[in-house]
Amino acid sequence: GQQVMQIPQYQHVQEGEDFTTYCNSSTTLSNIQWYKQRPGGHPVFLIQLVKSGEVKKQKRLTFQFGEAKKNSSLHITATQTTDVGTYFCAGDETSGSRLTFGEGTQLTVNP
Amino acid sequence: DGGITQSPKYLFRKEGQNVTLSCEQNLNHDAMYWYRQDPGQGLRLIYYSQIVNDFQKGDIAEGYSVSREKKESFPLTVTSAQKNPTAFYLCASRSDWGEAFFGQGTRLTVV
Repeated sequence: GQQVMQIPQYQHVQEGEDFTTYCNSSTTLSNIQWYKQRPGGHPVFLIQLVKSGEVKKQKRLTFQFGEAKKNSSLHITATQTTDVGTYFCAGDETSGSRLTFGEGTQLTVNP
Repeated sequence: DGGITQSPKYLFRKEGQNVTLSCEQNLNHDAMYWYRQDPGQGLRLIYYSQIVNDFQKGDIAEGYSVSREKKESFPLTVTSAQKNPTAFYLCASRSDWGEAFFGQGTRLTVV
């Protein structure tokens, strides 16, 4: 079955440093989504990418979808303490079907 | 307010008992999902439903059952056959565009 893997599992940074998490699927995806879960909270949708090679930006966050539609990355520039949380990628093999999540990357930011 | 509601927030169950977790949405979404999250881990798919009166097993369906008699409701029953039910359970509904909206979660503890 479809597997979605994320690395690293944990990342500790100093405030102001950059952060990147990577997502790899065992199968080609129709789309990739990214979610953020704050400690004690529930996942909150950040963005969806659907096109091969797509790049989207949200302020300090940059999201990429690979050319083969099997990998993705999330990059945060100049981290802030408000960026703390776990970042998950998730994807469908077929649009609108089962949504498979990666294991997540837990980000801590030291002030 | 539109959204997805899970109840209860905390639930304690004795070994050998079945327990049902509630999930209700008023977003008019066809697709709904149940995930299990263990400490420090990702979201694992239990069951999902793309339309009323239809549902599919996810990756860890053993020991769980669901029903989808109404569009708004997707209850999850954790049966006594589930060997390690203590976990955080998250319900989500999904828009036609793809974005998943999560409830606040139910934390189930077996005592």
